[in-house]
Amino acid sequence: QKEVEQDPGPLSVPEGAIVSLNCTYSNSAFQYFMWYRQYSRKGPELLMYTYSSGNKEDGRFTAQVDKSSKYISLFIRDSQPSDSATYLCAMNSLRGGSQGNLIFGKGTKLSVKP
Amino acid sequence: SQTIHQWPATLVQPVGSPLSLECTVEGTSNPNLYWYRQAAGRGLQLLFYSVGIGQISSEVPQNLSASRPQDRQFILSSKKLLLSDSGFYLCAWSSGTAASGYTFGSGTRLTVV
Repeated sequence: QKEVEQDPGPLSVPEGAIVSLNCTYSNSAFQYFMWYRQYSRKGPELLMYTYSSGNKEDGRFTAQVDKSSKYISLFIRDSQPSDSATYLCAMNSLRGGSQGNLIFGKGTKLSVKP
Repeated sequence: SQTIHQWPATLVQPVGSPLSLECTVEGTSNPNLYWYRQAAGRGLQLLFYSVGIGQISSEVPQNLSASRPQDRQFILSSKKLLLSDSGFYLCAWSSGTAASGYTFGSGTRLTVV
């Protein structure tokens, strides 16, 4: 079983739809959970960051972590064509050395149609 | 503020030729530095990371090597490129704490022909 699983999509939605992106993970030591957004031919940029369980909201974006289920989600409300990108989840633990490196999902490609 | 520079943006190289990609970070000291390769459908593959000058950890045995000659400079090299080395190469830095996340450069698209 891979440490982080993410459905690669592609996911196509109409403008204004609510988008749900998800990742599952197997390592119970993960404490920090992030979502990156990557536009085509660009480097990923940090979008949302959450520590441990719970929800975090930033404008149209909500990040949700359920550590009991080892499941994280990113919700996008009122999706816009400018949200079209690949979204990568990432997570790590407090452990040092290579075990502290971020582990990334493969990314979900999202397309929002006008 | 911290910035990360990566160049070139695009590179086309023949098989068997050498490679040198450079990454520099400004506005911070003693960063952790990373080289990733991203291939379509395969996600981000960590190639090398470095926690200090001259300290390089390799995650994947391959045709590539990395060096960190200065605190904020990270170089990815190859003596002889293979077709399979084609991909999108990304440099990133972090402060080294678990909560800090990574900041990525703009990437280099390498095509080996």
